[in-house]
Amino acid sequence: AQSVTQPDIHITVSEGASLELRCNYSYGATPYLFWYVQSPGQGLQLLLKYFSGDTLVQGIKGFEAEFKRSQSSFNLRKPSVHWSDAAEYFCAVAPNQAGTALIFGKGTTLSVSS
Amino acid sequence: GAGVSQSPSNKVTEKGKDVELRCDPISGHTALYWYRQSLGQGLEFLIYFQGNSAPDKSGLPSDRFSAERTGGSVSTLTIQRTQQEDSAVYLCASSSSRPGYTFGSGTRLTVV
Repeated sequence: AQSVTQPDIHITVSEGASLELRCNYSYGATPYLFWYVQSPGQGLQLLLKYFSGDTLVQGIKGFEAEFKRSQSSFNLRKPSVHWSDAAEYFCAVAPNQAGTALIFGKGTTLSVSS
Repeated sequence: GAGVSQSPSNKVTEKGKDVELRCDPISGHTALYWYRQSLGQGLEFLIYFQGNSAPDKSGLPSDRFSAERTGGSVSTLTIQRTQQEDSAVYLCASSSSRPGYTFGSGTRLTVV
């Protein structure tokens, strides 16, 4: 069965520091991969997605993620965190076929300190 | 519409009552999904509609939960005889032919 692991439940980063949120998946083939962000009281917003091709994916708000097949990972990064980035971040996978349900990790809460 | 619309945004109900949650997906999106988000539990898949195909109900936690999608557009999630453990945020999402959802803002359900 597919699964997604986000090892870090809560991370605190200083404003201006770099950020890396970890995501590992379990799936036989290369799945579709996603990162979503959820601000308090809001729905989920898609940050970026990987379907195929270049393994370094650029997203919105200055985020990027790198797909590493050998490590079954899709870690999210940002070079300089802003206070407004404080939110919950979810990694998700879907089988490499159209119209299938995404499987989400349990999320990582990011706090930003000044 | 421009986005996925869910109503109501908040719902407080008494234990044992039935509730209906509504989702209006993005126009033209053929796939519609319901998820439940409980504190500290991440997003739990409930049910998935794709076009005119039979829905994937594999995530529904009990037979008290049901959903329908009328005319390939609006969907209603119904919870019968609500229990306190049903308290959560219920999120709806829609997508076109490739994965990558657009989520609504959710319905926060509180069972008292």
